[in-house]
Amino acid sequence: GAGVSQSPSNKVTEKGKDVELRCDPISGHTALYWYRQSLGQGLEFLIYFQGNSAPDKSGLPSDRFSAERTGGSVSTLTIQRTQQEDSAVYLCASSLGPSFTYEQYFGPGTRLTVT
Amino acid sequence: SQQGEEDPQALSIQEGENATMNCSYKTSINNLQWYRQNSGRGLVHLILIRSNEREKHSGRLRVTLDTSKKSSSLLITASRAADTASYFCATAPQRGGGNKLTFGTGTQLKVEL
Repeated sequence: GAGVSQSPSNKVTEKGKDVELRCDPISGHTALYWYRQSLGQGLEFLIYFQGNSAPDKSGLPSDRFSAERTGGSVSTLTIQRTQQEDSAVYLCASSLGPSFTYEQYFGPGTRLTVT
Repeated sequence: SQQGEEDPQALSIQEGENATMNCSYKTSINNLQWYRQNSGRGLVHLILIRSNEREKHSGRLRVTLDTSKKSSSLLITASRAADTASYFCATAPQRGGGNKLTFGTGTQLKVEL
């Protein structure tokens, strides 16, 4: 079946503008994760959604970052007043359940460049 | 330092040779997972080994886990040029310890013809 999809694949924006990144998880996956990966680095956890539970926002780097998941499916990561240090690849992943049980399936990522 | 650190950071081998990557972590885990990443984009799940398992195989992949040493290794046998990628280990906390995977910084593997 279809995997995790993300859009856009690339986004170039000017410093100070807001951006929205979209993630469509695999159908039936209740868990959804957002990560950020800077050039040559590992993955930095941002936020986790599990079913109808309150999201784990412990990885969001500042209050300029927010995310929501509508109807338990599609998720949008919003970055307000973008800064150059926000430039990175933003990866979304979904899984059947929490990470202590299930592996994660990743989307292709959105490469964000803030000029 | 980070939970889940891979060693070496970079590895270059000839096609047909075996590649071994190591991962160390700091806290108790429920499972450890290995992922591959091509061209800095999406990660592909390779294998998951639970804390009560010591070794697991999948095709040309062999993963070991030593919870007493808090370390894991990934062995790729008879490597191919297509195995060129970055490999990450990720640890999952025990139940009740949160829900996020913690990734290391990865090993860049280059397999040359």
